[in-house]
Amino acid sequence: DGGITQSPKYLFRKEGQNVTLSCEQNLNHDAMYWYRQDPGQGLRLIYYSQIVNDFQKGDIAEGYSVSREKKESFPLTVTSAQKNPTAFYLCASSLQGLYEQYFGPGTRLTVT
Amino acid sequence: QKEVEQNSGPLSVPEGAIASLNCTYSDRGSQSFFWYRQYSGKSPELIMSIYSNGDKEDGRFTAQLNKASQYVSLLIRDSQPSDSATYLCAVIQGAQKLVFGQGTRLTINP
Repeated sequence: DGGITQSPKYLFRKEGQNVTLSCEQNLNHDAMYWYRQDPGQGLRLIYYSQIVNDFQKGDIAEGYSVSREKKESFPLTVTSAQKNPTAFYLCASSLQGLYEQYFGPGTRLTVT
Repeated sequence: QKEVEQNSGPLSVPEGAIASLNCTYSDRGSQSFFWYRQYSGKSPELIMSIYSNGDKEDGRFTAQLNKASQYVSLLIRDSQPSDSATYLCAVIQGAQKLVFGQGTRLTINP
């Protein structure tokens, strides 16, 4: 059963703590992406990776970090430096950069 | 000017009618265009992709692309209450970056 999984679905953290969001895909896609969505807003790109061991900053990378050690996995760490971390985080993947992106179910992060 | 612009709505359409959603984009060099549907609290779901000028039909959905006018639209025929959602237009610009519009909230009234 191919697809993109994100865990957990809901995550609660105290301010000042780092938190890592998981994203795994078994679609054999080369490219993976992290987006953030705030209520009533569109999606904003945080980081993306076109190939293993390589990744680029998106529009709002400050306060976030990623790694791409395996083709299937692209975890996102929300650090304490991120000023407004509460949001809906979406992971996506695509065969290559110019092709359709498919999204996982998302992780809703709440920091208090 | 925003890179990808959509009317935020809400757009209300009676059941059975045609819903028309519009999107304009700023980068004339854009090559790939997508429509996503997002139900409240859920992640976006790809419903249409279009790469060349003209119309592309898939069931009740038709995507239309006019690169000269930098305009892409989505028509939903025989609208159903289950079509009520936010529709996101997305365009690949520059270095393979997918840029999203703010989304149009569509409500189908029974």
